[in-house]
Amino acid sequence: GAVVSQHPSWVICKSGTSVKIECRSLDFQATTMFWYRQFPKQSLMLMATSNEGSKATYEQGVEKDKFLINHASLTLSTLTVTSAHPEDSSFYICSASLDRAHNSNQPQHFGDGTRLSIL
Amino acid sequence: QQQVKQSPQSLIVQKGGISIINCAYENTAFDYFPWYQQFPGKGPALLIAIRPDVSEKKEGRFTISFNKSAKQFSLHIMDSQPGDSATYFCAASREGGSEKLVFGKGTKLTVNP
Repeated sequence: GAVVSQHPSWVICKSGTSVKIECRSLDFQATTMFWYRQFPKQSLMLMATSNEGSKATYEQGVEKDKFLINHASLTLSTLTVTSAHPEDSSFYICSASLDRAHNSNQPQHFGDGTRLSIL
Repeated sequence: QQQVKQSPQSLIVQKGGISIINCAYENTAFDYFPWYQQFPGKGPALLIAIRPDVSEKKEGRFTISFNKSAKQFSLHIMDSQPGDSATYFCAASREGGSEKLVFGKGTKLTVNP
């Protein structure tokens, strides 16, 4: 149980295009999902916390207009990298935990990440 | 600044040996301390986690030791195997893991055959 799926797993696109990454909780409902960014050989850096039905909470230094997050349902959150540039190339990973309203103290489960390469 | 400090940065052990990775935290509000294992090109996978009401938790070959007064916790991998070669991250959060995780910088473990 507690499977989180990300799509696509790898995307290559030209500079200036927008890219959408999906994060789905397959067998549980998640009121909260988290989006991380990881550069090679580095740790995970939290970008934002995605709350179902409300605006995402962004970490300091993360451009909310650059990284659009939508959490329209209890099983799906999307991250859109707008007008992507080569410096946005990275490994993007999402995580989700069970609905906190009914299940406190639940661990986060991570997707397998999306490798984004901007040419 | 909430921080979790992890050491060593890299670790090489022989097959059958014990791998030990250490972490220290600052925020006493943290109440959930997981360890994640990450293979190249994959997302982190939850390995084992501990809460501050216990000093040790064991699951198979993996053991977490927790020292609340010192604000330190460690991961011990017994009988290390080449398949354990991966990057390990410690983390900490509040509210049992439902809040955002603060990660250590990671330890790259290599287990030689």
